[in-house]
Amino acid sequence: DVKVTQSSRYLVKRTGEKVFLECVQDMDHENMFWYRQDPGLGLRLIYFSYDVKMKEKGDIPEGYSVSREKKERFSLILESASTNQTSMYLCASSFGISGSPLHFGNGTRLTVT
Amino acid sequence: AQTVTQSQPEMSVQEAETVTLSCTYDTSESDYYLFWYKQPPSRQMILVIRQEAYKQQNATENRFSVNFQKAAKSFSLKISDSQLGDAAMYFCAWGGGGATNKLIFGTGTLLAVQP
Repeated sequence: DVKVTQSSRYLVKRTGEKVFLECVQDMDHENMFWYRQDPGLGLRLIYFSYDVKMKEKGDIPEGYSVSREKKERFSLILESASTNQTSMYLCASSFGISGSPLHFGNGTRLTVT
Repeated sequence: AQTVTQSQPEMSVQEAETVTLSCTYDTSESDYYLFWYKQPPSRQMILVIRQEAYKQQNATENRFSVNFQKAAKSFSLKISDSQLGDAAMYFCAWGGGGATNKLIFGTGTLLAVQP
């Protein structure tokens, strides 16, 4: 079974802090994704990566950056956390084959106070 | 830009009955994939079913099946013999034909199953 592991299930940070959300997958997937989930808005893509050190902006990249130094690890960085970044963050991965499904982690619920 | 619309924020079904969740999408691409994901209270997103747009045959997975109407851009999910464990948020998603596999999700339908 594919395992996508997010380092924290719950996180509470203060406004202005730099926040790191970590994600690791064990299936040698080429693609990795960070989504944000908010009630009534569904899942929205923040960033994705299709290879080591490669990244592309999704639909809502403002206020976020990412890092992929190793194939299995994809980090989401909030440079200066703000209250409007309080949300559920979901990491996912997939093979780099057209139509391959995404496999998700359990999510990190981030609260910025 | 592609969009995915789920017009039913909440639905309810009696145990053992059948329920259909609606999804429509908009795209100008000819090569794409459609997915239904389930998110129970544990928050783990689980793939329920996948459909290739070039296949006319509707996908099925045990009690789950889809009604894929390509011309109408409709992709509904039917759950037969509903069980208590089917209670969850269900998301419809569209993915293009490229290898990046990024998905566009709908806003979700919260399904309650009544005993």
